[in-house]
Formats: sequence, C-alpha cells, structure tokens
Amino acid sequence: KAGVTQTPRYLIKTRGQQVTLSCSPISGHRSVSWYQQTPGQGLQFLFEYFSETQRNKGNFPGRFSGRQFSNSRSEMNVSTLELGDSALYLCASRPGGSETQYFGPGTRLLVL
Amino acid sequence: AQSVTQLGSHVSVSEGALVLLRCNYSSSVPPYLFWYVQYPNQGLQLLLKYTTGATLVKGINGFEAEFKKSETSFHLTKPSAHMSDAAEYFCAVSEAGGTSYGKLTFGQGTILTVHP
Repeated sequence: KAGVTQTPRYLIKTRGQQVTLSCSPISGHRSVSWYQQTPGQGLQFLFEYFSETQRNKGNFPGRFSGRQFSNSRSEMNVSTLELGDSALYLCASRPGGSETQYFGPGTRLLVL
Repeated sequence: AQSVTQLGSHVSVSEGALVLLRCNYSSSVPPYLFWYVQYPNQGLQLLLKYTTGATLVKGINGFEAEFKKSETSFHLTKPSAHMSDAAEYFCAVSEAGGTSYGKLTFGQGTILTVHP
C-alpha cells in the first residue's frame, strides 16, 4: 500500500495570507490527525478527523481549521498567517479501531 | 491530562555501544506508549508500541522498550548502536480507548548521535 502523502512538500507564504495543506491517508484508513512541529514547541496535536467529523482538537487558535472528505482525504487551513506559524505540518492516518498512527513526510511552511 | 518527559535532548554514543533513551510519562488513565524515529527532512516512523500484555516490547531495527508502571517509564534501548541509528527519537502517549487514539502527546525528542 502507498503511504500517507502530503502536498505540497514546501510552501512559502507571507504574513496575513492563508494556506491550505492536503493529506491523503493510507487506503482504508478513516482517521487523519494533524500535528505541528517547531523547534521551540516540539510536536503538538492540532486535530483529528474520523469519518468526516472532527473527533479531537488541540489548543490552537481558531485560525487553524480542517476538514475531511468522504474519501478520507483531509485538508487543513491556516488563515491570517503569522511568523510563528512557520513549521513542519505532519499528518498521520490510522485504521478505525487501531491505536497506531502512520505519518506522512510533512509539509514545511515558511511564513515571511 | 497526559505528558511525556524525555530526559536528555542529546545523547551521544560510540558505534557498537548500548543505546538508552529515557522516557517518563504522566497519565491519569491506562496509557498506550510509542517510540517514533525521525530522520532529517522526513516524517515519523514507528519503532515500537506498548498497549497491553507483555511489558517488554520489541520493535524494528533491534530496538526494544520496557513498560514499567511503577516508575511510569518507557525507556528505549538497543544493545549495539549503528551509524544508521543517528536520528531524533520521540516518545509519545495516547489514552487507551478508541476515541482517544488519534491524539498523541509527544516528548520533546532526543537527538541520538553515533560516533565511529
């Protein structure tokens, strides 16, 4: 099976813009979780979608949002970008009922 | 709330030496515990996990970890380090229970350096 794929892999934006990142889970996986990785804060959970419904949410401002489509693909959106949003954004998928998450390669976002 | 503490942000060993990466967790409910590895410019790869049952779990690439409830620890070991083990390692915890599986809480990571 193909692994988790994320597009784009690299992105440069300026402050105030918005950005949409995409994640395609492993075939058959219904859950997608998103994480932000920064040198200062480490790996932090953003949210999880399962069968098109947000199941869990981390402590991030409302500028961070996501959605999941009927084919389990997920997108996350960050509006009004700030310099501090520069990070590696990782998504992970897992089958329903399983505790194991499989991670994609990430999207590296640079906000100037 | 759950938390994970990895003792030592950097660990340096010689090739062939024992690798020991320390992880302590805090959880009010039975935890599921994971070790992931991250190579430069890549995502996270699962090394091993503990859910229930045997407390000594074996993973890929010769790594193993032991769950010690009394010490709230889940340290990662490998008897003999290889140059290819150089990477950053993350310990993570989730709550047991289906609706919580999708949320991992990570430690700050330990960078492992292997010297020839």
